[in-house]
Amino acid sequence: SQQGEEDPQALSIQEGENATMNCSYKTSINNLQWYRQNSGRGLVHLILIRSNEREKHSGRLRVTLDTSKKSSSLLITASRAADTASYFCAVYGNNRLAFGKGNQVVVIP
Amino acid sequence: GAVVSQHPSWVICKSGTSVKIECRSLDFQATTMFWYRQFPKQSLMLMATSNEGSKATYEQGVEKDKFLINHASLTLSTLTVTSAHPEDSSFYICSANPRQGAVAEAFFGQGTRLTVV
Repeated sequence: SQQGEEDPQALSIQEGENATMNCSYKTSINNLQWYRQNSGRGLVHLILIRSNEREKHSGRLRVTLDTSKKSSSLLITASRAADTASYFCAVYGNNRLAFGKGNQVVVIP
Repeated sequence: GAVVSQHPSWVICKSGTSVKIECRSLDFQATTMFWYRQFPKQSLMLMATSNEGSKATYEQGVEKDKFLINHASLTLSTLTVTSAHPEDSSFYICSANPRQGAVAEAFFGQGTRLTVV
């Protein structure tokens, strides 16, 4: 089954620094999505990148997609303490989303 | 964006009792909703796909008699954990999409923290 898989990293960075997370998947996809989850809360959609797109920006977020390597990255620039959360990638297939393991990001003020 | 509301946000129940969790799409109709389970510091595991007007589709390994799903209207799906046991303690999250099809971002409820004592 399709499944996004992040590099199992817990990132701890200083405010103002950039945070980069990676995600790999195994099968062909229609799109790849990134979500954010604050502790004990539901997920919030951040950005969706289609399989025919290579890069997408949304505010301080930058997502890349390399379908030849079946991988994606999420970059958060100029991080803020409020960016502290877990970030998940998800791939869409068989009418459902399959989520990766998640990356916990801590931004130190 | 679309709003999905989940209730309750937390619940504590005794072993052997049943607990019902509601998932509502507040500003759109959803023929399909999804129920996930999440253990601490882990990813979301899809439990079942809730289909309005028909039976839910359960993922492999999920007991349908244990986790009853009802999707009686286009805006409401419920998950009932029957005869709950401590191992059922977890974070349960629902999601729905305003648009069907492949290009569809999901909107999630706030989640329900279930603790079975």
